[in-house]
Amino acid sequence: DIQMTQSPPSLSASVGDRVTITCRASQNINRYLNWYQQKPGKAPKLLIYVTSSLQSGVPSRFSGSGSGTDFTLTISSLQPEDFATYYCQLSYPIHTFGQGTKLEIK
Amino acid sequence: QVQLQESGPGLVKFSETLSLTCTVSGGSISGYYWGWIRQPPGKGLEYIGYVHDTGSTNRYNPSLTSRVTISVDTSRNRFSLRLTSATAADTAVYYCARLDKNGYYDYWGQGTLVTVSS
Repeated sequence: DIQMTQSPPSLSASVGDRVTITCRASQNINRYLNWYQQKPGKAPKLLIYVTSSLQSGVPSRFSGSGSGTDFTLTISSLQPEDFATYYCQLSYPIHTFGQGTKLEIK
Repeated sequence: QVQLQESGPGLVKFSETLSLTCTVSGGSISGYYWGWIRQPPGKGLEYIGYVHDTGSTNRYNPSLTSRVTISVDTSRNRFSLRLTSATAADTAVYYCARLDKNGYYDYWGQGTLVTVSS
């Protein structure tokens, strides 16, 4: 099975900061990697699909990159509503999720 | 706008079968894949499985495959989850979601908490 390792598990940052979250696959997954944001008590929300495509309605401060085994989600300038937990997700063959990164206010 | 709504018992007894239904509104269930994901309290997301609208394709998490069945009812625009032999480890918020053919979940239900009691 392909394992997904997300880092860091938690992160403290301030409004306006640039933040990067990393997801590493245990083997080559091409570009089949997606990112979600989850706020407490709410369902996950799709942010980025197939590594770098921005879901409709998602602000352009969110971006994704990578290929093969290493992927990143970047928030260019943190806004108050961005403090949440972020998950990566493998598209194939099994929809494995990363362990999550909790982004907190510093 | 596609909307999904989970329904089913919030309390299941140990060793019994957990059954949930997801009703899709604002769009047809036909032509898409539909999946279930769960989240134990305070923990991360776990993929359970998905089904194609024709019911011809099912893929399950290998760790659950012996206990899980996902089926679709196109006449009622809904799909269902059955998880047999429930234990406390199955206590979680269960989400239904629409799965794009490229492997991402673009529409989600609000989630429903299922507690397995002893």
